[in-house]
Amino acid sequence: LAKTTQPISMDSYEGQEVNITCSHNNIATNDYITWYQQFPSQGPRFIIQGYKTKVTNEVASLFIPADRKSSTLSLPRVSLSDTAVYYCLVNLNAGNMLTFGGGTRLMVKP
Amino acid sequence: DGGITQSPKYLFRKEGQNVTLSCEQNLNHDAMYWYRQDPGQGLRLIYYSQIVNDFQKGDIAEGYSVSREKKESFPLTVTSAQKNPTAFYLCASSPGTDYFQPQHFGDGTRLSIL
Repeated sequence: LAKTTQPISMDSYEGQEVNITCSHNNIATNDYITWYQQFPSQGPRFIIQGYKTKVTNEVASLFIPADRKSSTLSLPRVSLSDTAVYYCLVNLNAGNMLTFGGGTRLMVKP
Repeated sequence: DGGITQSPKYLFRKEGQNVTLSCEQNLNHDAMYWYRQDPGQGLRLIYYSQIVNDFQKGDIAEGYSVSREKKESFPLTVTSAQKNPTAFYLCASSPGTDYFQPQHFGDGTRLSIL
């Protein structure tokens, strides 16, 4: 099973770009990389998903190098409301079963 | 609006009691999942169901039971055999179990022991 490693916590300031890197050295050929955001006492919310190179949506960008052993979630110009826990997941080969690690706690300061 | 509804938001259980957590979705999704989250931790899979009348154990199924009699409903029963049931329980659904289909989550039920 592919496992992920990401920083436990990060601090940033409003208006800055935040990059959260996730390592997944054992990623399998068919695995996708998915990022979720979770606020306290709420369920996780899907942010972005990718397989290789770069993916961008209205919320974030996801950068995946050629070897796919890591990925970087980029949040442009964060605001206080982006304070949350961000989870990097690598989908298991056996269907859509997600394995959540501890995530990265992002604190955005004024 | 389509979504997943979990109820109740807070639930208290006396030791030795079974309690059932409700999860309803109107997204017409085939697959549904139950996770447990302990403070400061990630989510752990309890049970999942790919289709009506079928479900599979996840990583921590002991002390829990589920049913899937209707497509839109996937209730979770926390039995008295679950010795440490205090946690945040999250239900999710996805169109299927293909691994590129994101899961949609409800807002959880927080279970506490009296």
